[in-house]
Amino acid sequence: DAGVIQSPRHEVTEMGQEVTLRCKPISGHNSLFWYRQTMMRGLELLIYFNNNVPIDDSGMPEDRFSAKMPNASFSTLKIQPSEPRDSAVYFCASSPKETQYFGPGTRLLVL
Amino acid sequence: KQEVTQIPAALSVPEGENLVLNCSFTDSAIYNLQWFRQDPGKGLTSLLLIQSSQREQTSGRLNASLDKSSGRSTLYIAASQPGDSATYLCAVRRGSSNTGKLIFGQGTTLQVKP
Repeated sequence: DAGVIQSPRHEVTEMGQEVTLRCKPISGHNSLFWYRQTMMRGLELLIYFNNNVPIDDSGMPEDRFSAKMPNASFSTLKIQPSEPRDSAVYFCASSPKETQYFGPGTRLLVL
Repeated sequence: KQEVTQIPAALSVPEGENLVLNCSFTDSAIYNLQWFRQDPGKGLTSLLLIQSSQREQTSGRLNASLDKSSGRSTLYIAASQPGDSATYLCAVRRGSSNTGKLIFGQGTTLQVKP
């Protein structure tokens, strides 16, 4: 299995632009998680899905952030409009039960 | 509110030394606790998962213990190797089921010198 796949691996954009991060979970995993990691705040859960349904989005910082999971093999995290304080590494993880398997992350820099 | 603290933030040891990483959490009502490893520029890899009813878990040179009542967990690494150099994070799962959120500590960055 290729593991959790995230794209792009790096993204540099200007403030105000829309950013879309993509994730392909491991086949057969029924839970998917989006995390954000920064030096100041560490690793924070943004949202997670179970069987493609959003279960807990309390970590989504504000309305500029949205996430979708249209099917079991794909999810997106969108930031519109982006701001410099959104610069971070965004991880996607999937899980069959309790252990979570992380992707390599997308390093986002908003100028 | 659950808070997870890891001390020390960084640790440097010579190869071959046994070492202990510490994790503490403020709310003992957890479902389980996990230890992860993160290499620079990479995602997290799960090392050990301890259910709230368990006291410890072992995998190779790694042993994780859990004392839920005191809100503490330790990760013991025996005979450390340079390849063990990484950041180690602990995370507790809130609530009473496996659907609760994971709350992460800030991590301990370990350097093992050859």
